[in-house]
Amino acid sequence: ETGVTQTPRHLVMGMTNKKSLKCEQHLGHNAMYWYKQSAKKPLELMFVYNFKEQTENNSVPSRFSPECPNSSHLFLHLHTLQPEDSALYLCASSQEGTGGGETQYFGPGTRLLVL
Amino acid sequence: DAKTTQPNSMESNEEEPVHLPCNHSTISGTDYIHWYRQLPSQGPEYVIHGLTSNVNNRMASLAIAEDRKSSTLILHRATLRDAAVYYCILASGSRLTFGEGTQLTVNP
Repeated sequence: ETGVTQTPRHLVMGMTNKKSLKCEQHLGHNAMYWYKQSAKKPLELMFVYNFKEQTENNSVPSRFSPECPNSSHLFLHLHTLQPEDSALYLCASSQEGTGGGETQYFGPGTRLLVL
Repeated sequence: DAKTTQPNSMESNEEEPVHLPCNHSTISGTDYIHWYRQLPSQGPEYVIHGLTSNVNNRMASLAIAEDRKSSTLILHRATLRDAAVYYCILASGSRLTFGEGTQLTVNP
């Protein structure tokens, strides 16, 4: 596999469920990101990890819990979500996570529907 | 974060060049100009980026104004597969702040 992969691609969950989104990058990068894209809205940065350490949390509610066990894997644990959390969740990676000249590589996203 | 302004939508004909404009009058000296595009039901895809000089790659060209307050993404020969939302983004750190972008429609 190459690039950035995300599983599952689609997820339907109830408000009381707990689920996890998984992201894996095969590019040897050291920075990973979670973005949220709601319908008809721009992408919003949620979390940034550099070398497994969280370096940015963009005021995300605690019902979203990220985990980065190593530089290749990133998880987003979901619990007690609300219907307004339904969105496309995108993972990205970049080489170092520093400097404006870096390119970010995005996965295909997980389409989440909260009922 | 410095902001960018793009037209909401543009149309082009297949096999013709497309010039997508972006204004960024509050750009700082350390901001890079990035362009990404997003096809329907996919994640964003990197297109090109630059700092001061014009840039070319296999996908597109980036023309940057001398004062850096505007830039233009040039697709030399549009194809139907180029229909997407194109985002112009300023980045000085790792953060990419996406705006609404320009929806490009390519007519056969």
